[in-house]
Amino acid sequence: KQEVTQIPAALSVPEGENLVLNCSFTDSAIYNLQWFRQDPGKGLTSLLLIQSSQREQTSGRLNASLDKSSGRSTLYIAASQPGDSATYLCAVIGSNDYKLSFGAGTTVTVRA
Amino acid sequence: DAGVIQSPRHEVTEMGQEVTLRCKPISGHDYLFWYRQTMMRGLELLIYFNNNVPIDDSGMPEDRFSAKMPNASFSTLKIQPSEPRDSAVYFCASSSPPHGYTFGSGTRLTVV
Repeated sequence: KQEVTQIPAALSVPEGENLVLNCSFTDSAIYNLQWFRQDPGKGLTSLLLIQSSQREQTSGRLNASLDKSSGRSTLYIAASQPGDSATYLCAVIGSNDYKLSFGAGTTVTVRA
Repeated sequence: DAGVIQSPRHEVTEMGQEVTLRCKPISGHDYLFWYRQTMMRGLELLIYFNNNVPIDDSGMPEDRFSAKMPNASFSTLKIQPSEPRDSAVYFCASSSPPHGYTFGSGTRLTVV
């Protein structure tokens, strides 16, 4: 069974600082990996999707890397803003069953 | 596209009553997933469909839960009878490989 771990569980930084969110998974047989953002009381918004053959994806201030062999992904958020405050979820899609397995998330607070 | 549409957004019901949650996936997506989110357990996969056929329902907590997908544009999740421990946010998501998952806004269920 795929196990996804996110470290740290919570993070508080001053505005302008770069954010580094870590995700690890136990089974390297993945189809792709997806990062989501969830605001309190809201649904999940997709941030980045990395195919298993890719090493990274970028969108604006966001960059996500993938090292499938070591079972790790990292989400970088440059020059953080208070609007980046949210919970960030890492999810892995299995190559055999296409099921999405989630980590517990990292809750980010960016202080103005 | 309007995205994944779920209804109702909020549901408050009394213990023992039947509850039906509804989902309209994105047109053209051939996978549909039902998830449940609680503070204690995070996001849990309940059941998923491929081309309207249930593939894996091992996450359905017990026989009180059932799900159907009568056609490619509609799915229901039913709880009968409901219990207070079913209180959670229920998400529907759809996908079509190689694209990632798109989640609906969720249904917040409260059973009193």
